[in-house]
Amino acid sequence: DIQMTQSPSSLSASVGDRVTITCRASQSINNYLNWYQQKPGKAPKLLIYATSSLQSGVPSRFSGSGSGTDFTLTISSLQPEDFATYHCQQSYGAPRTFGQGTKLEIK
Amino acid sequence: QVQLQESGPGLVKPSGTLSLTCSVSDFSNSNYFWSWIRQPPGKGLEWIGFIYYSGSTNYNPSLKSRVTMSVDTSKNQFSLRLSSVTAADTAVYYCAREGLDGSHSSYFDYWGQGTLVTVSS
Repeated sequence: DIQMTQSPSSLSASVGDRVTITCRASQSINNYLNWYQQKPGKAPKLLIYATSSLQSGVPSRFSGSGSGTDFTLTISSLQPEDFATYHCQQSYGAPRTFGQGTKLEIK
Repeated sequence: QVQLQESGPGLVKPSGTLSLTCSVSDFSNSNYFWSWIRQPPGKGLEWIGFIYYSGSTNYNPSLKSRVTMSVDTSKNQFSLRLSSVTAADTAVYYCAREGLDGSHSSYFDYWGQGTLVTVSS
Protein backbone atom coordinates (compact mmCIF):
# COMPACT_ATOMS: atom_id res chain seq x y z
CA ASP A 1 0.00 0.00 0.00
CA ILE A 2 1.06 3.57 -0.60
CA GLN A 3 1.39 5.36 2.75
CA MET A 4 0.38 9.01 2.91
CA THR A 5 1.84 11.17 5.68
CA GLN A 6 0.57 14.65 6.41
CA SER A 7 2.28 17.34 8.43
CA PRO A 8 1.56 18.90 10.70
CA SER A 9 -1.16 16.83 12.39
CA SER A 10 -2.63 20.00 13.83
CA LEU A 11 -2.10 23.67 13.23
CA SER A 12 -3.26 26.87 14.91
CA ALA A 13 -3.63 29.96 12.78
CA SER A 14 -5.48 33.25 12.60
CA VAL A 15 -7.93 34.68 10.10
CA GLY A 16 -5.95 36.21 7.26
CA ASP A 17 -2.91 33.95 7.71
CA ARG A 18 -1.29 32.01 4.88
CA VAL A 19 -1.21 28.32 5.73
CA THR A 20 0.57 25.38 4.11
CA ILE A 21 -0.11 21.70 4.76
CA THR A 22 2.23 19.04 3.46
CA CYS A 23 1.51 15.51 2.26
CA ARG A 24 4.20 12.96 1.48
CA ALA A 25 3.68 9.66 -0.34
CA SER A 26 5.76 6.55 0.35
CA GLN A 27 6.41 6.19 -3.38
CA SER A 28 5.92 8.32 -6.46
CA ILE A 29 2.27 8.91 -7.30
CA ASN A 30 2.88 11.25 -10.23
CA ASN A 31 0.26 13.98 -9.78
CA TYR A 32 -2.54 11.70 -8.56
CA LEU A 33 -3.11 13.56 -5.31
CA ASN A 34 -6.37 14.99 -4.02
CA TRP A 35 -7.25 17.23 -1.08
CA TYR A 36 -10.46 17.24 0.95
CA GLN A 37 -11.88 19.49 3.65
CA GLN A 38 -13.96 17.97 6.44
CA LYS A 39 -15.97 19.81 9.06
CA PRO A 40 -17.24 18.13 12.25
CA GLY A 41 -20.12 15.76 11.60
CA LYS A 42 -19.93 16.26 7.84
CA ALA A 43 -18.64 14.28 4.90
CA PRO A 44 -15.35 15.31 3.33
CA LYS A 45 -15.58 17.82 0.49
CA LEU A 46 -13.30 17.70 -2.53
CA LEU A 47 -11.16 20.82 -2.79
CA ILE A 48 -8.37 20.00 -5.22
CA TYR A 49 -7.76 17.06 -7.55
CA ALA A 50 -4.78 15.97 -9.61
CA THR A 51 -2.46 17.99 -7.34
CA SER A 52 -3.49 21.46 -8.49
CA SER A 53 -6.92 21.48 -10.17
CA LEU A 54 -9.48 23.41 -8.20
CA GLN A 55 -12.85 21.68 -7.87
CA SER A 56 -15.77 23.74 -9.16
CA GLY A 57 -17.08 26.18 -6.58
CA VAL A 58 -13.98 26.07 -4.36
CA PRO A 59 -12.56 29.53 -3.56
CA SER A 60 -9.35 30.52 -5.31
CA ARG A 61 -7.55 31.07 -2.00
CA PHE A 62 -7.04 27.29 -2.02
CA SER A 63 -4.20 26.00 -4.17
CA GLY A 64 -2.18 22.83 -4.49
CA SER A 65 1.24 21.97 -5.82
CA GLY A 66 3.82 19.21 -5.93
CA SER A 67 4.74 16.11 -7.86
CA GLY A 68 6.19 12.66 -7.28
CA THR A 69 6.11 12.17 -3.53
CA ASP A 70 5.77 15.67 -2.04
CA PHE A 71 2.67 17.82 -2.20
CA THR A 72 1.30 20.93 -0.53
CA LEU A 73 -2.07 22.53 0.06
CA THR A 74 -1.94 26.28 0.56
CA ILE A 75 -4.67 28.57 1.83
CA SER A 76 -3.59 32.09 0.93
CA SER A 77 -5.69 34.02 3.42
CA LEU A 78 -7.60 32.04 6.03
CA GLN A 79 -11.29 32.72 6.38
CA PRO A 80 -13.42 31.71 9.39
CA GLU A 81 -15.09 28.93 7.40
CA ASP A 82 -11.72 27.32 6.60
CA PHE A 83 -11.17 25.99 10.09
CA ALA A 84 -11.61 22.27 9.54
CA THR A 85 -9.66 19.05 9.03
CA TYR A 86 -7.85 18.53 5.73
CA HIS A 87 -7.08 15.15 4.20
CA CYS A 88 -4.86 14.22 1.30
CA GLN A 89 -5.57 11.08 -0.77
CA GLN A 90 -3.71 9.28 -3.52
CA SER A 91 -5.48 7.88 -6.55
CA TYR A 92 -2.35 6.43 -8.19
CA GLY A 93 -3.31 2.90 -7.27
CA ALA A 94 -5.45 0.62 -5.16
CA PRO A 95 -6.01 0.53 -2.32
CA ARG A 96 -6.76 4.23 -2.29
CA THR A 97 -5.14 5.70 0.80
CA PHE A 98 -5.55 8.88 2.79
CA GLY A 99 -3.28 10.89 5.03
CA GLN A 100 -4.10 10.94 8.72
CA GLY A 101 -5.56 14.44 8.47
CA THR A 102 -4.48 17.91 9.55
CA LYS A 103 -6.74 19.75 11.96
CA LEU A 104 -6.66 23.49 11.38
CA GLU A 105 -7.74 25.40 14.48
CA ILE A 106 -8.28 29.03 15.32
CA LYS A 107 -5.43 30.65 17.25
CA GLN B 1 -25.72 17.60 -8.67
CA VAL B 2 -25.52 13.95 -7.67
CA GLN B 3 -26.96 12.90 -4.32
CA LEU B 4 -25.98 9.81 -2.35
CA GLN B 5 -27.72 8.50 0.76
CA GLU B 6 -26.61 5.64 3.01
CA SER B 7 -29.13 3.45 4.81
CA GLY B 8 -28.94 0.48 7.10
CA PRO B 9 -28.82 -0.60 10.74
CA GLY B 10 -26.89 1.61 13.12
CA LEU B 11 -26.11 -1.22 15.52
CA VAL B 12 -24.60 -4.59 14.67
CA LYS B 13 -23.65 -7.35 17.09
CA PRO B 14 -20.08 -8.65 17.24
CA SER B 15 -19.46 -11.50 14.77
CA GLY B 16 -22.48 -10.34 12.80
CA THR B 17 -22.70 -8.81 9.33
CA LEU B 18 -22.88 -5.12 8.62
CA SER B 19 -25.13 -4.31 5.66
CA LEU B 20 -25.51 -0.88 4.12
CA THR B 21 -27.09 0.44 0.95
CA CYS B 22 -26.33 3.63 -0.91
CA SER B 23 -29.06 5.20 -3.02
CA VAL B 24 -27.81 7.38 -5.87
CA SER B 25 -29.82 10.06 -7.64
CA ASP B 26 -28.09 9.53 -10.98
CA PHE B 27 -26.45 6.26 -11.94
CA SER B 28 -26.57 6.95 -15.67
CA ASN B 29 -22.93 7.70 -16.47
CA SER B 30 -20.60 4.73 -16.60
CA ASN B 31 -17.36 6.68 -15.97
CA TYR B 32 -17.49 6.27 -12.23
CA PHE B 33 -16.53 3.90 -9.45
CA TRP B 34 -19.00 3.62 -6.59
CA SER B 35 -17.09 3.47 -3.33
CA TRP B 36 -17.36 2.83 0.36
CA ILE B 37 -15.12 4.70 2.80
CA ARG B 38 -15.21 4.58 6.58
CA GLN B 39 -13.97 6.73 9.44
CA PRO B 40 -13.68 5.40 13.01
CA PRO B 41 -14.57 8.01 15.62
CA GLY B 42 -11.80 10.58 15.90
CA LYS B 43 -9.65 8.86 13.27
CA GLY B 44 -8.77 9.11 9.61
CA LEU B 45 -10.45 7.87 6.46
CA GLU B 46 -10.13 4.28 5.23
CA TRP B 47 -11.10 3.19 1.72
CA ILE B 48 -13.07 -0.08 1.79
CA GLY B 49 -13.43 -0.59 -1.95
CA PHE B 50 -15.42 0.22 -5.04
CA ILE B 51 -17.81 -1.38 -7.48
CA TYR B 52 -18.29 -0.47 -11.12
CA TYR B 53 -21.76 -0.35 -12.69
CA SER B 54 -20.92 -3.63 -14.46
CA GLY B 55 -20.41 -5.33 -11.09
CA SER B 56 -16.63 -5.57 -11.14
CA THR B 57 -15.07 -4.78 -7.78
CA ASN B 58 -11.83 -3.77 -6.10
CA TYR B 59 -11.51 -4.23 -2.35
CA ASN B 60 -8.97 -3.06 0.18
CA PRO B 61 -6.75 -6.10 0.87
CA SER B 62 -6.99 -5.40 4.60
CA LEU B 63 -10.75 -6.09 4.46
CA LYS B 64 -11.05 -8.22 1.35
CA SER B 65 -11.83 -11.49 3.12
CA ARG B 66 -14.86 -9.92 4.81
CA VAL B 67 -16.23 -7.52 2.20
CA THR B 68 -18.82 -8.02 -0.50
CA MET B 69 -20.18 -5.23 -2.68
CA SER B 70 -23.06 -5.42 -5.09
CA VAL B 71 -24.87 -3.06 -7.43
CA ASP B 72 -28.49 -2.81 -8.59
CA THR B 73 -28.60 -0.33 -11.46
CA SER B 74 -32.39 -0.72 -11.82
CA LYS B 75 -32.79 0.73 -8.34
CA ASN B 76 -29.83 3.17 -8.57
CA GLN B 77 -28.28 1.50 -5.54
CA PHE B 78 -25.09 -0.19 -4.48
CA SER B 79 -24.47 -2.11 -1.29
CA LEU B 80 -21.84 -3.14 1.21
CA ARG B 81 -21.68 -6.23 3.36
CA LEU B 82 -18.95 -6.63 5.96
CA SER B 83 -18.92 -9.93 7.81
CA SER B 84 -17.51 -11.05 11.16
CA VAL B 85 -17.53 -7.53 12.57
CA THR B 86 -15.78 -6.50 15.77
CA ALA B 87 -15.67 -3.29 17.76
CA ALA B 88 -12.84 -2.16 15.46
CA ASP B 89 -15.41 -1.88 12.66
CA THR B 90 -17.33 0.82 14.52
CA ALA B 91 -17.17 3.84 12.25
CA VAL B 92 -19.05 6.34 10.16
CA TYR B 93 -19.53 4.69 6.79
CA TYR B 94 -19.68 6.88 3.70
CA CYS B 95 -20.63 6.01 0.17
CA ALA B 96 -18.99 8.13 -2.47
CA ARG B 97 -18.60 8.50 -6.20
CA GLU B 98 -15.10 8.29 -7.61
CA GLY B 99 -15.01 10.34 -10.76
CA LEU B 100 -12.47 10.12 -13.56
CA ASP B 101 -11.13 12.94 -15.67
CA GLY B 102 -9.48 12.89 -19.07
CA SER B 103 -5.99 12.55 -17.64
CA HIS B 104 -6.89 9.31 -15.81
CA SER B 105 -6.89 11.10 -12.49
CA SER B 106 -9.68 10.12 -10.12
CA TYR B 107 -11.18 11.66 -7.03
CA PHE B 108 -14.16 11.33 -4.69
CA ASP B 109 -16.36 14.17 -5.88
CA TYR B 110 -19.70 13.30 -4.30
CA TRP B 111 -20.29 11.80 -0.86
CA GLY B 112 -23.22 10.65 1.17
CA GLN B 113 -23.78 12.25 4.55
CA GLY B 114 -22.42 9.18 6.31
CA THR B 115 -24.01 6.76 8.73
CA LEU B 116 -22.60 5.68 12.09
CA VAL B 117 -22.48 1.94 12.58
CA THR B 118 -21.69 0.74 16.07
CA VAL B 119 -20.62 -2.83 16.76
CA SER B 120 -21.77 -3.78 20.22
CA SER B 121 -23.71 -6.48 21.99
